[in-house]
Amino acid sequence: AQSVSQHNHHVILSEAASLELGCNYSYGGTVNLFWYVQYPGQHLQLLLKYFSGDPLVKGIKGFEAEFIKSKFSFNLRKPSVQWSDTAEYFCAVKSGGSQGNLIFGKGTKLSVKP
Amino acid sequence: GAVVSQHPSWVICKSGTSVKIECRSLDFQATTMFWYRQFPKQSLMLMATSNEGSKATYEQGVEKDKFLINHASLTLSTLTVTSAHPEDSSFYICSARDLRGSRNEQFFGPGTRLTVL
Repeated sequence: AQSVSQHNHHVILSEAASLELGCNYSYGGTVNLFWYVQYPGQHLQLLLKYFSGDPLVKGIKGFEAEFIKSKFSFNLRKPSVQWSDTAEYFCAVKSGGSQGNLIFGKGTKLSVKP
Repeated sequence: GAVVSQHPSWVICKSGTSVKIECRSLDFQATTMFWYRQFPKQSLMLMATSNEGSKATYEQGVEKDKFLINHASLTLSTLTVTSAHPEDSSFYICSARDLRGSRNEQFFGPGTRLTVL
């Protein structure tokens, strides 16, 4: 069965620090990869996604993620975080083409200190 | 972006009663809707997938007679938690997708917090 692992449960950073959130998945076939963000009191929003092509994907708000197939990883990065990035971040994987279902990781809570 | 709404956002009910949660796609037609359940500090767990006009497909371990899902139109799906018990207390999130055309993204509702006393 597919699974998604997010290594960090809670990350605390100061403003301007660099961010990297780990995500690994277990599935040998073709996958689509996603990062979602959930700001306090708000719904899940798509940050970025990878379907094919350039493994370095740029998303909204300065976030990017790199798909490394050999490591089954899709880590999220941001060079300089802001207080407004405080949120919960979820990695998700979809296999089985357009009909497949999203499998989510447990999420990483990011707290950015001003 | 597309908008998905849920109603109510928060509900408290007594044990044994039933609760209905609505999920609406406001500016697009959702051929498929998904219902997730999220426990504190846990991942979103897919409960069921419903296609408009068809019976929902439930994930293993989800009781279909307890969690009734109806997707009668392209913009509305409902989840009814029947004979709710305290262990059903959770955060329920719906998601909608339109498989027609090029749109292949899932849009999420804001969630409904259910507390069963």
